[in-house]
Amino acid sequence: EAGVTQFPSHSVIEKGQTVTLRCDPISGHDNLYWYRRVMGKEIKFLLHFVKESKQDESGMPNNRFLAERTGGTYSTLKVQPAELEDSGVYFCASKPLGGNTEAFFGQGTRLTVV
Amino acid sequence: GENVEQHPSTLSVQEGDSAVIKCTYSDSASNYFPWYKQELGKRPQLIIDIRSNVGEKKDQRIAVTLNKTAKHFSLHITETQPEDSAVYFCAASKDTGFQKLVFGTGTRLLVSP
Repeated sequence: EAGVTQFPSHSVIEKGQTVTLRCDPISGHDNLYWYRRVMGKEIKFLLHFVKESKQDESGMPNNRFLAERTGGTYSTLKVQPAELEDSGVYFCASKPLGGNTEAFFGQGTRLTVV
Repeated sequence: GENVEQHPSTLSVQEGDSAVIKCTYSDSASNYFPWYKQELGKRPQLIIDIRSNVGEKKDQRIAVTLNKTAKHFSLHITETQPEDSAVYFCAASKDTGFQKLVFGTGTRLLVSP
């Protein structure tokens, strides 16, 4: 079974540019989460989808971040315009709906804004 | 909201020694406490978890203990091996099947041969 996959693995962009990160969850996993780890700090929650609906977006830093999950399959996270403080590793995780189950993480996208 | 603190930030041990990583949480409603291991360049992977209805859980060389009264939980690794070197994250959640994980800041464990 394929795991959670994220694209790209690395991205270096200039301040003010736009970047779109993609996450493909494990097939059949209705819960999809985005997290971010800024250098040396904790992995912080950004938002949570259940199928195509946003269940909780309390962790989104500001309106420069836009997440979508059209059709309830893959998800994108767009940062526009990017700022220096957006640099970090963005993780996606998925888990099945219902029950007490493990969240499976992707390898992350390392975003560097210069 | 929930806040999780994790100590130490780095831990160096000799192969064969034990390693202990400690976490505290603030929300008494949290009831699910997973530990993730992230090797360099790889994805975080669940290594063990514990729910609030038990005080200890063991899986070979790894054990986790939970003290609900004091709101802290710990990861214990015995007979450490070089391949245990990684960053370890604790987390807490109100595990209803939906809730987000709140992570600690991570512990970089280095096991020297």
